[in-house]
Amino acid sequence: SQQGEEDPQALSIQEGENATMNCSYKTSINNLQWYRQNSGRGLVHLILIRSNEREKHSGRLRVTLDTSKKSSSLLITASRAADTASYFCATDLTTSGTYKYIFGTGTRLKVLA
Amino acid sequence: SAVISQKPSRDICQRGTSLTIQCQVDSQVTMMFWYRQQPGQSLTLIATANQGSEATYESGFVIDKFPISRPNLTFSTLTVSNMSPEDSSIYLCSARGQGGTEAFFGQGTRLTVV
Repeated sequence: SQQGEEDPQALSIQEGENATMNCSYKTSINNLQWYRQNSGRGLVHLILIRSNEREKHSGRLRVTLDTSKKSSSLLITASRAADTASYFCATDLTTSGTYKYIFGTGTRLKVLA
Repeated sequence: SAVISQKPSRDICQRGTSLTIQCQVDSQVTMMFWYRQQPGQSLTLIATANQGSEATYESGFVIDKFPISRPNLTFSTLTVSNMSPEDSSIYLCSARGQGGTEAFFGQGTRLTVV
């Protein structure tokens, strides 16, 4: 399977703490994206990092990418109860001239008020 | 950005029947995708819906079971055929815009087969 692995599978923290999730993938990528999903609904795009970037910030989010290790991390600082959701990384693959997005296994984050 | 409308949002179906899920995008997009998400799991790509030609299916998914149409650049359908309880999942439509790299998602169709 091309699917990436994420860890931890589940994470429970107190409001105000930081949450870190990791993603590993298997093949060369064009970019890597992080998505949030609330309660089995549609996915919301959070942030994209290109293969030639090492770190990117967006509000309380910080994403790093290490292409040599084929891994990425998502840090959510000063977490809030509203951050409770599942988080997925997705890699943008190009095979035989076609694009597709392959999703990681996901991290279920619970932020306790 | 693109807004994707997917319907139905949920359905309960009898085994052996078929359900067609519709996906409408509010702007022209180059690529549309269909995913399946089983309870508590990640998203698995079923196929890429190609405009004007047959969809490109991923390993483990076949056209007879999941026929897909994409008559134009803003609309696609996925049919789940001859359903069994194992087909109970959330089905998600996704699109990628022209020149864009971000994938946008519909709200999903929660299918229960009884």
